[in-house]
Amino acid sequence: EVQLVESGGGLVQPGGSLRLSCAASGFIFSGSDMNWVRQSPGKGLEWISFIDKNADKKYYADSVKGRFTISRDNTKNSLYLQMNNLGAEDTAIYYCGRGPAGWQDHWGQGTLVTVSS
Amino acid sequence: QSALTQPASVSGSPGQSITISCTGTSRDIGAYNYVAWYQQHPGKVPKLMIFDVSNRPSGVSTRFSGSKSGYTASLTISGLQAEDEADYYCSSYTSTSTLVVFGGGTKLTVL
Repeated sequence: EVQLVESGGGLVQPGGSLRLSCAASGFIFSGSDMNWVRQSPGKGLEWISFIDKNADKKYYADSVKGRFTISRDNTKNSLYLQMNNLGAEDTAIYYCGRGPAGWQDHWGQGTLVTVSS
Repeated sequence: QSALTQPASVSGSPGQSITISCTGTSRDIGAYNYVAWYQQHPGKVPKLMIFDVSNRPSGVSTRFSGSKSGYTASLTISGLQAEDEADYYCSSYTSTSTLVVFGGGTKLTVL
């Protein structure tokens, strides 16, 4: 069974940093492209980043470019999102998703990031 | 404001068919056959229903179908059931620097 488990969310002050993790199991992680998608409370979905299976290609939404960095460790079956210079607009549930950037066939349960003073 | 435009809400009675539209531009839906649709029940994780315009993942009911014409993609649900009541989101690749855009979501109510 495919499982994706996010962690690392929490309350952070404006301007602060957080590192999210996504632990994968039940599939060949090293053979899978991965994404981060977020959802602000009561709002819609927003794709924010993609990384291919070898970490050769990385893409970001304009809203996070220059502040967020996606990475992965295929030896640990883990995906990461380093988030810097966080603002209130970054408050959201962050999901990791397996698949190409265009669609994700499996999602984790999400981790909540709250940016507030 | 979302890059792709969806109606805020649609409704239908059990057994009926409904269609949710997703309108984009020449830089997204009009340029690529990479439209996806997701279903999200309240408090739950999004579920992929359609990918690459009209393909259904394994396990998704054949009552769900997708299509595209010009700058507009559509999700049709036939034989509406109470369990279909949820929010639905479309997404597409885009030639802009953001790569992927979502619609604002459509709330489906089964009357």
